[in-house]
Amino acid sequence: GENVEQHPSTLSVQEGDSAVIKCTYSDSASNYFPWYKQELGKGPQLIIDIRSNVGEKKDQRIAVTLNKTAKHFSLHITETQPEDSAVYFCAARGGSEKLVFGKGTKLTVNP
Amino acid sequence: EADIYQTPRYLVIGTGKKITLECSQTMGHDKMYWYQQDPGMELHLIHYSYGVNSTEKGDLSSESTVSRIRTEHFPLTLESARPSHTSQYLCASRSYEQYFGPGTRLTVT
Repeated sequence: GENVEQHPSTLSVQEGDSAVIKCTYSDSASNYFPWYKQELGKGPQLIIDIRSNVGEKKDQRIAVTLNKTAKHFSLHITETQPEDSAVYFCAARGGSEKLVFGKGTKLTVNP
Repeated sequence: EADIYQTPRYLVIGTGKKITLECSQTMGHDKMYWYQQDPGMELHLIHYSYGVNSTEKGDLSSESTVSRIRTEHFPLTLESARPSHTSQYLCASRSYEQYFGPGTRLTVT
């Protein structure tokens, strides 16, 4: 089955810097890759996603890139702000109809 | 914005009690999921449903059970709660994009 690896597990940046979180997946049939942000005490919130027919997608300060050949995808946050501090999860979905999640990255943005 | 609701948000109960965690969504999604998560940790799929009268066990073994009598409703039941069941329980539903509810934090004393 699908396996998703996520790195790093913790990331600390200064306000205004960029943050990058990387994920790799194993199942070449996977075709949908969402990213979730989870704040303390809340459920994960879908922040951006990408489908396998697209290489990059951007939404304001957030962008996601996908390399299907290498089976990896990344989340890029530019001009980070303290409110970006949260745990971020990547996920992949293919034929199984179920999302397989990475183990999460705790991002801390220091003012 | 996702319209998926979970009640209660917080629950503290004693060992041996029967509990039901409620999950409902107003988006008409056929596919619904339950995850168990310790704070800030991995998401573990414990149950899922692809429609009315369809339920399947997830990747993580759980003593809980679920039912799906109506499209919008996917409750999770623990017949006899134990301290090992203390965790956060997250419900989700999807058409293409998957959305999560706010979660129920369960503490069994």
